[in-house]
Amino acid sequence: RKEVEQDPGPFNVPEGATVAFNCTYSNSASQSFFWYRQDCRKEPKLLMSVYSSGNEDGRFTAQLNRASQYISLLIRDSKLSDSATYLCVVRTSGYSTLTFGKGTMLLVSP
Amino acid sequence: NAGVTQTPKFQVLKTGQSMTLQCAQDMNHEYMSWYRQDPGMGLRLIHYSVGAGITDQGEVPNGYNVSRSTTEDFPLRLLSAAPSQTSVYFCASSATGRDGYTFGSGTRLTVV
Repeated sequence: RKEVEQDPGPFNVPEGATVAFNCTYSNSASQSFFWYRQDCRKEPKLLMSVYSSGNEDGRFTAQLNRASQYISLLIRDSKLSDSATYLCVVRTSGYSTLTFGKGTMLLVSP
Repeated sequence: NAGVTQTPKFQVLKTGQSMTLQCAQDMNHEYMSWYRQDPGMGLRLIHYSVGAGITDQGEVPNGYNVSRSTTEDFPLRLLSAAPSQTSVYFCASSATGRDGYTFGSGTRLTVV
């Protein structure tokens, strides 16, 4: 079983739409959770950390469900500039390294 | 504010050649990592370091060496390049290891 699994997409949505991505992780000892954004042929960039109580940053909302071991990212009012690949990332307790999902591609069209 | 700087940005090697990918950060981060990214595989950890003088292997360490003589620098050495090492290599750093990592812009390596 893969450690971090994501639907690769692509998710094709019109501008202004709301879109949600889910991610599951296999290691129950995972402690830290993140969403990264990666544009084509660029480096991954931290979008937001994911906290147990859920957190919001502008149009982006992240949720964590430890019991079911999944993480979600909700994007409201999608912009053309949101088109990218979104990487679900997990850090396991006791380790200082990250495990990446393969990413979910989002394409926002006019 | 340079952040994480990787050089070179592009490199073509012949099979059997060796080279060093450079990574430097100016944020005084203790934690540094090297990843490779291949189509359909996602980012995979090659080696990492939790401070100067301390390194450890990641998921795919074979064919690569690292050293960490200073906090700032974390070079990745390819000992004898193989076509299977054709990839995009990312270096990343973090202050605590518990927070998100900052990535360099990557090195695109082709081994022919």
